[in-house]
Amino acid sequence: GDSVTQMEGPVTLSEEAFLTINCTYTATGYPSLFWYVQYPGEGLQLLLKATKADDKGSNKGFEATYRKETTSFHLEKGSVQVSDSAVYFCALSEAGTASKLTFGTGTRLQVTL
Amino acid sequence: DTGVSQNPRHKITKRGQNVTFRCDPISEHNRLYWYRQTLGQGPEFLTYFQNEAQLEKSRLLSDRFSAERPKGSFSTLEIQRTEQGDSAMYLCASSPVQNRGHWNTEAFFGQGTRLTVV
Repeated sequence: GDSVTQMEGPVTLSEEAFLTINCTYTATGYPSLFWYVQYPGEGLQLLLKATKADDKGSNKGFEATYRKETTSFHLEKGSVQVSDSAVYFCALSEAGTASKLTFGTGTRLQVTL
Repeated sequence: DTGVSQNPRHKITKRGQNVTFRCDPISEHNRLYWYRQTLGQGPEFLTYFQNEAQLEKSRLLSDRFSAERPKGSFSTLEIQRTEQGDSAMYLCASSPVQNRGHWNTEAFFGQGTRLTVV
């Protein structure tokens, strides 16, 4: 079945550091890929998405590129802020449908001053 | 607030008791999903509805679990004869089937119901 593998956390960075959170997936066909974020005390929110190979999703300074050849969707940000501290989840859904999401285990990011 | 609403936010119950959770999706969202999230893990799919029809159930959804969406609006998730292993955060999400002709639209999540079975 479909699966998502994320790098384990926690990831601790100083403010303005560069962030990479690795995500790889296993799926049949061409799934859509997502990054969700969960801030403390809040529900999951969609951060960005990409629906086909080589698409780049971006939002709030975060970016991720859908790499079919390496089955990856790594999350990056050039300069993190304390307010980015949260848990980040990589997820996929079956292509061409509005179907269920398969999530990774999440990566906790802690940004310090 | 027009987001996805879940009630209660927290529930503590004794093992063997029945519990019911409610989810009110965003108005006019056809699809409603239930997920379960345990500590340190990502959400795991349980079931989803399109309008009032339950279209898919995960193998995680044992016979003690039942979900309904009788009028295609709010949904309930009931757990009978709760076990300690049922302790988790239960998340509800909703989405339109399509948005401007595109699939894979955003799913909007509620804040969840945290269940503790003692």
